[in-house]
Amino acid sequence: SQTIHQWPATLVQPVGSPLSLECTVEGTSNPNLYWYRQAAGRGLQLLFYSVGIGQISSEVPQNLSASRPQDRQFILSSKKLLLSDSGFYLCAFDRGVTNYGYTFGSGTRLTVV
Amino acid sequence: KNQVEQSPQSLIILEGKNCTLQCNYTVSPFSNLRWYKQDTGRGPVSLTIMTFSENTKSNGRYTATLDADTKQSSLHITASQLSDSASYICVVSRQAGTALIFGKGTTLSVSS
Repeated sequence: SQTIHQWPATLVQPVGSPLSLECTVEGTSNPNLYWYRQAAGRGLQLLFYSVGIGQISSEVPQNLSASRPQDRQFILSSKKLLLSDSGFYLCAFDRGVTNYGYTFGSGTRLTVV
Repeated sequence: KNQVEQSPQSLIILEGKNCTLQCNYTVSPFSNLRWYKQDTGRGPVSLTIMTFSENTKSNGRYTATLDADTKQSSLHITASQLSDSASYICVVSRQAGTALIFGKGTTLSVSS
């Protein structure tokens, strides 16, 4: 079966520190991969998506970056965190053009202090 | 503009009661519509997904309906349980690429 793993579940980081959130997918090959941020009382905001190794598209300008070093690995990074980077981050994957099998990870609660 | 609007924003019901959540969308071209349940601090979990030709789909006590003509969907929860307390998100997919349009969700609280 296809599964998605995201870690860590929670993270508290000081302002100016680096960030690395990892997401891996199992049970499928060549998935489309996504990073979302969810702010309280607001909908999910697409940050990055990737349709293949090394292919990253950014939806919004921000302090974050994404990388896809392997087919089923997606990493969200920052060199220097800002207070505004706090939020709930979700990784997701799907197969196919119509996004039929869209599946989310369990999420990471990031608090920048 | 592609949008998904959900109502109500929040809802409180007594355990055992039924409830219906609404989703209106203006997404084009339409591919499919899905409902997710998101427990606090967790990732969304898919409940149902419907394509253009499907009018209703059930998943246990959850029944989703879709009217593609009026661009409306509803999620009906029967005999609510305390564990149904969560945010319910309506998501509409366009026919190409990565374009998922998310609603802001309805927060449901089931009390005993």
